[in-house]
Amino acid sequence: GNSVTQMEGPVTLSEEAFLTINCTYTATGYPSLFWYVQYPGEGLQLLLKATKADDKGSNKGFEATYRKETTSFHLEKGSVQVSDSAVYFCALTAPLGGYNKLIFGAGTRLAVHP
Amino acid sequence: NAGVTQTPKFRVLKTGQSMTLLCAQDMNHEYMYWYRQDPGMGLRLIHYSVGEGTTAKGEVPDGYNVSRLKKQNFLLGLESAAPSQTSVYFCASRRGQDYEQYFGPGTRLTVT
Repeated sequence: GNSVTQMEGPVTLSEEAFLTINCTYTATGYPSLFWYVQYPGEGLQLLLKATKADDKGSNKGFEATYRKETTSFHLEKGSVQVSDSAVYFCALTAPLGGYNKLIFGAGTRLAVHP
Repeated sequence: NAGVTQTPKFRVLKTGQSMTLLCAQDMNHEYMYWYRQDPGMGLRLIHYSVGEGTTAKGEVPDGYNVSRLKKQNFLLGLESAAPSQTSVYFCASRRGQDYEQYFGPGTRLTVT
């Protein structure tokens, strides 16, 4: 079946540290991959996406590369800020009754301290 | 544009009570979704709709009903609430040809 596995959190970093949040997936076919971010008290927002193998999604200094050979879509940022503290969800598209649905990982909480 | 809005933001119910959660979107999106978010489990799809007047079951539909009488609204009903339905509920919508889903701010429901 289709599933997403993320590294467990929380991840605690100091400001300006390098961030990696691991995400691996199992899927039939060729899914699109996403990272969503949830700030405290808010709904999820799309952070970045990649729709085919070797695509790199990027936004707000975050990047992730669609690696088909390792079935991974790890999220990275070179220098985190306190304002990046949030929960990050990796997701993929999967078939649903002739349409597509999103399957989410469990989420990884990031806490950045000054 | 308000985007996706949800009403109410918080609610406490007693076991066996009923309630309806309202989701509204002003982006003219065809697709709408209801998810529940539980600790350590990510988001799970309850029901979804691909257009006005249509609804379909997601991964965890038991105990919930939905209706989409107008394109901009998607209602989630709990006929007889149970403690297992304590969760945060999110509504989302998207255009037919896009991948991105737009989420509402959530409703925190506690069933005692």
